[in-house]
Amino acid sequence: EIVLTQSPGTLSLSPGERATLSCRASQIVSSSFLAWYQQRPGQAPRLLIYGASSRATAIPDRFSGSGSGTDFTLTISRLDPEDFAVYFCQQYGSSPFTFGGGTKVEIK
Amino acid sequence: EVQLVQSGAEGKKPGESLKISCKSSGQSFTSYWISWVRQTPGKGLEWLGIIYPGDSQTRYSPAFEGHVSISVDKSIDTAYLQWSSLKASDSGIYYCARHGLPRNYYHGLDVWGQGTTVTVSS
Repeated sequence: EIVLTQSPGTLSLSPGERATLSCRASQIVSSSFLAWYQQRPGQAPRLLIYGASSRATAIPDRFSGSGSGTDFTLTISRLDPEDFAVYFCQQYGSSPFTFGGGTKVEIK
Repeated sequence: EVQLVQSGAEGKKPGESLKISCKSSGQSFTSYWISWVRQTPGKGLEWLGIIYPGDSQTRYSPAFEGHVSISVDKSIDTAYLQWSSLKASDSGIYYCARHGLPRNYYHGLDVWGQGTTVTVSS
């Protein structure tokens, strides 16, 4: 099973700042089958990025994903107030399709 | 609009059985793989397994295989997750979610149900 480790656990930033979130895999994620999700309190996760770097439908271009192999990054170029939430990565290249533990982006 | 609508919250006792549902609308139900995901405060998001409604192929996480069962009823565009004997540790929020590429699970989960809260307590 591929273990995904996200860092940092919490990121304290101000609106307008840049956020950089990391997701490290215990084994190579095949074909960069890695996704990022945003979850706001009381809501289901929402797909932001798939295939490591492709934005999902209707996702603003301030969200971008990069990386390959075992190291992946989600970048939010300028934080909007609605972006303060928890972010998860997931690999779907190798069953079981595991999730990372999440990074909370909070208002500083 | 594509939607997955899940059944309501459940409160059960250990040892009881349970079947929760996930009804699809606005899409070709049989063409997209459906995953089930659990969320708990202690373990975060956990992937339980996946089913292809077209032919009912299933795959399970080893952590859940033998304890849960995933099925579909194509006639009513509905997927199910069931337990024959619940444990307290099964408590959590359960989501169904669609893999966003027809006939292929190599895609992120682009449509999610609203979640079903399952509470197992004596």
